[in-house]
Amino acid sequence: AQSVTQLGSHVSVSEGALVLLRCNYSSSVPPYLFWYVQYPNQGLQLLLKYTSAATLVKGINGFEAEFKKSETSFHLTKPSAHMSDAAEYFCAVMGSGAGSYQLTFGKGTKLSVIP
Amino acid sequence: EPEVTQTPSHQVTQMGQEVILRCVPISNHLYFYWYRQILGQKVEFLVSFYNNEISEKSEIFDDQFSVERPDGSNFTLKIRSTKLEDSAMYFCASRDRVSSYEQYFGPGTRLTVT
Repeated sequence: AQSVTQLGSHVSVSEGALVLLRCNYSSSVPPYLFWYVQYPNQGLQLLLKYTSAATLVKGINGFEAEFKKSETSFHLTKPSAHMSDAAEYFCAVMGSGAGSYQLTFGKGTKLSVIP
Repeated sequence: EPEVTQTPSHQVTQMGQEVILRCVPISNHLYFYWYRQILGQKVEFLVSFYNNEISEKSEIFDDQFSVERPDGSNFTLKIRSTKLEDSAMYFCASRDRVSSYEQYFGPGTRLTVT
C-alpha cells in the first residue's frame, strides 16, 4: 500500500522568499512521485515527476524537487516565490509495479504568497 | 495544447437520483481514470479503464458506480442512486501509453447531492 503525507495544509511565504513544500511517502515498491498544482477553478496540472532517473527533478515555473530515498521524501522547492505561485499543491505517488498506475495523493498544501 | 474536458462543471442533484458525469480525454490517450475529492479531504482514486474495461477499482467504487466509453471519445461516470456522501469534486484523467506515467487531469465536476 502507498501513502503520502504533506506537512502543512497551508503555507505562507513572502514574494521573493524560498518556497518549501514538504512531502513524505510510503511505498512497498520503488515509487514514481509527482507534484501537481491546482489553481482556483482549474484541474490538476503536473509540475514535475520523478521516475527513477535523476534524483533532482526540475519542473515548470522554476520549481524543483529532490527524491531522497533514505528520508522517503520528495520536497518541492522554488528559490523565489512569485504572486502567481499562489495555488494548492498536491504530492502523489504511483507504484512502479504491475497495475493501472493509479495515483495516491496527499491532502494538499495551499500556498499563499504575501506581497 | 490538447486537454481533458469535463461537463458539467457543477451538478446539483437530489439524493437517490442518477447522475452521469462526462469527460472527453485527450484523443490519442489509452488509459482513463476517475478520481474524487470530498471537500477538505484527499484526492482519491476511484477507477481506471483500459481497452474498454475496468483495469482497477478502489473500495469506494461500489455497485452504485459504473463507467463507460460509449463512443470512442467520451468517458462517463454514472452514479445510480446518489447519496449525500457522494458530494465531491470528480476529476477525470487520461494517459497515453504504458511508458508514460503522466496523467492529464480535467478541471473537475463539482457534484452536490441535496
